[in-house]
Amino acid sequence: DAKTTQPPSMDCAEGRAANLPCNHSTISGNEYVYWYRQIHSQGPQYIIHGLKNNETNEMASLIITEDRKSSTLILPHATLRDTAVYYCIVRVAGTGGFKTIFGAGTRLFVKA
Amino acid sequence: DGGITQSPKYLFRKEGQNVTLSCEQNLNHDAMYWYRQDPGQGLRLIYYSQIVNDFQKGDIAEGYSVSREKKESFPLTVTSAQKNPTAFYLCASSIGPSSGANVLTFGAGSRLTVL
Repeated sequence: DAKTTQPPSMDCAEGRAANLPCNHSTISGNEYVYWYRQIHSQGPQYIIHGLKNNETNEMASLIITEDRKSSTLILPHATLRDTAVYYCIVRVAGTGGFKTIFGAGTRLFVKA
Repeated sequence: DGGITQSPKYLFRKEGQNVTLSCEQNLNHDAMYWYRQDPGQGLRLIYYSQIVNDFQKGDIAEGYSVSREKKESFPLTVTSAQKNPTAFYLCASSIGPSSGANVLTFGAGSRLTVL
């Protein structure tokens, strides 16, 4: 089972910031939080990942709480092309190593 | 450019037939993965391989088989034992199982339809 919980859907106005929350209360101390997104009928695209500190790249910012039990992905100026399903991922231990399990994600609708 | 190539993009098969989906990567990644996605659903892990000549079952391995004879190739066979094989299949790779950060790179997917 996925180790994260996310709201099933969210709306955002074009040009505004989109803030997508994720709970990962059972995360272990050395595990990263990863975010991917999937536009319809395409393979998921990596967005950002982080361990303890907040991270920023050209696509988004990632804010991780001090206790690491939750995080927020921020798209600073959402566009219509950001409409997609966003997955928050924490790896789980499996036979022979860690495996990446995807939950249902958050479906983000950016509206004009 | 480095990346993952999946083929075919679309595939139709009759019930009772086995079919093999190809996945090739030129990223020099050690780990490779197969996921299945049904309409409106998230991705479910079928098989994964952390190193050549070794692979493990994921959460829904029944009716599927894989091989990992070469680092760059991880083909998936959908057998006749898979009761509901119509789905979108995604292959991914990552640097390896032990590195601190393990970012997945995905292919474009293969859509299988059983007639």
